[in-house]
Amino acid sequence: DTGVSQDPRHKITKRGQNVTFRCDPISEHNRLYWYRQTLGQGPEFLTYFQNEAQLEKSRLLSDRFSAERPKGSFSTLEIQRTEQGDSAMYLCASSLVSGWETQYFGPGTRLLVL
Amino acid sequence: AQKITQTQPGMFVQEKEAVTLDCTYDTSDPSYGLFWYKQPSSGEMIFLIYQGSYDQQNATEGRYSLNFQKARKSANLVISASQLGDSAMYFCAMRATGNQFYFGTGTSLTVIP
Repeated sequence: DTGVSQDPRHKITKRGQNVTFRCDPISEHNRLYWYRQTLGQGPEFLTYFQNEAQLEKSRLLSDRFSAERPKGSFSTLEIQRTEQGDSAMYLCASSLVSGWETQYFGPGTRLLVL
Repeated sequence: AQKITQTQPGMFVQEKEAVTLDCTYDTSDPSYGLFWYKQPSSGEMIFLIYQGSYDQQNATEGRYSLNFQKARKSANLVISASQLGDSAMYFCAMRATGNQFYFGTGTSLTVIP
């Protein structure tokens, strides 16, 4: 399977704990995006990388959130001191820098903060 | 500001019939792209179809077509010959200048046998 993969698929954690999610994009894709999706809403942009450079961050991304893409391949999204409001689906997408960059999404990581 | 509006929270369609899912957008950028994604209950967003703002013809991909009316700022998705497997959430999205994608709130489609 050469699609976008995410790990883990589900995560349950207690408030105040740190969590880290991983995304492996389609291999030749140089852009990688993170989104958050809450129930009944469309995905909301969090941040994106072009190769290893983080080029844009949403104001939704508080200082408890950090993302990395150290070698321009996989990416991690860490949430520190989780809050109940962080419960959501976290989606990763990748694209090629060409044309209008159709984004291809992974299956998502569903986070539940108790 | 960029905005996508989907006004139909839920739609029903009989199997084998066609259905139109509405999407309107707002942008002041002259160049933009419009996308439709399908999200089954499993959660993965599946790319369906894309329309560029300068494209003269409406996009088609198999049973999916995009009814693009630029003056009205609408980009409706038409699904022909609905199948049970089409039951899912459908999201309209837009990318203008800059690199963010803006998504609507989605339409839940149920195909009735």
